[in-house]
Parts: sequence; structure tokens; C-alpha cells
Amino acid sequence: KNEVEQSPQNLTAQEGEFITINCSYSVGISALHWLQQHPGGGIVSLFMLSSGKKKHGRLIATINIQEKHSSLHITASHPRDSAVYICAARTGNQFYFGTGTSLTVIP
Amino acid sequence: DTAVSQTPKYLVTQMGNDKSIKCEQNLGHDTMYWYKQDSKKFLKIMFSYNNKELIINETVPNRFSPKSPDKAHLNLHINSLELGDSAVYFCASSSQGDGYTFGSGTRLTVV
Repeated sequence: KNEVEQSPQNLTAQEGEFITINCSYSVGISALHWLQQHPGGGIVSLFMLSSGKKKHGRLIATINIQEKHSSLHITASHPRDSAVYICAARTGNQFYFGTGTSLTVIP
Repeated sequence: DTAVSQTPKYLVTQMGNDKSIKCEQNLGHDTMYWYKQDSKKFLKIMFSYNNKELIINETVPNRFSPKSPDKAHLNLHINSLELGDSAVYFCASSSQGDGYTFGSGTRLTVV
């Protein structure tokens, strides 16, 4: 079993929909990261969380340390949000990656 | 531009060769990383390095070695390349409390 599990694996949404991607982890963490990988391959770091909630534009990331769970929300989704979203749990210098959620937003 | 830059972008080479991928960051970050992304798009950390400590993922073969001439550079050397080494390799950097900045990746194909 992977230390970090993401769901769903694949997600298709209509433009404008509210999207949630979930991440559960089994290790003690110092931080949790959400990454975005575009179809062209480039990876962008979206959020680094150790508690609570962060917001950047239409993206919101939350974390519940007690439940070992994080969510990434996208409001008013747009086709340019189509990408793979990866959750990564950091414990010291070790990183555990989820297998990613492939999101497609249809116009 | 402030960024993490890695070269080359594409690398095609024969089995058994030795190759290097270079990585440079001008962000003033104190820690650099190498990641491998396999054909199933699964990311795995290979190394993390700051000027004090090298952390190696124990599953990485010792044919892979990071070399850091200074804080802004972390190059990846690979000896005796194998078919299974074909993947996309990403360099990244960070500072304490900051998020990560990734390079654009190097697609290595071993033939």
C-alpha cells in the first residue's frame, strides 16, 4: 500500500464545476505539498501545507492533521486547469508521492 | 529569469554509456533535489542535498550519483546506463518554509 493515496485517479468535469481532489496519507508529516503537472510535462508547486487552509486564486487546499487527509479544491473550473495533480507528503527529508489525479475540464 | 534550469531537455543514449544531467538554480534556495518520473507518471525522489547533508533514497542504484560543485548546482551522473533508466528526471529546489520550484525536466531514453 502506498503511503499516500489520492482519489479519484481520473476526473472529468464541465467548465465551471467545483472540483475536489482528495489525498490521504499514512505517515507523520512535516508538510504536505500539492503539485500540478501540465500536459507538456512541467511541474508547478501549488501549495505547501502543514495545517489549516491556503487559497490562491481559484485554488484552495485544506489539511486535517488528525485525520491525515488533505483536499485540493478548484472553484469555477476552466479547461486550462486540465492537468495531473499530485499530492506529496514530506517527513523530514523523505517524500512520498501519490499517483496523481488526472483532471480534464471540458468546455 | 529566476528559475531552476536543467540541461539537456532530451537525452538519447546507448546502454552502457555514462551521462550527466546538469541543474542550476538562481533562487538562493538551500536545498536541491532530483526526482525520477517513470512511464506511469509516478514521481519518486532520488536525492535531496543541501550544503550540509546528502540524503539518498536507498532504492536508487549506486550507478546514480549527485555532484554539487556549489549551492546553486546539483548535477546528476549516471554510469552504465540501463534500459530501465529511461524516464523523465526533474531537478527542484526549495528553502525552509518555501514551496518547491521544479526544472522543466530531462527526458532520458536509453536504447
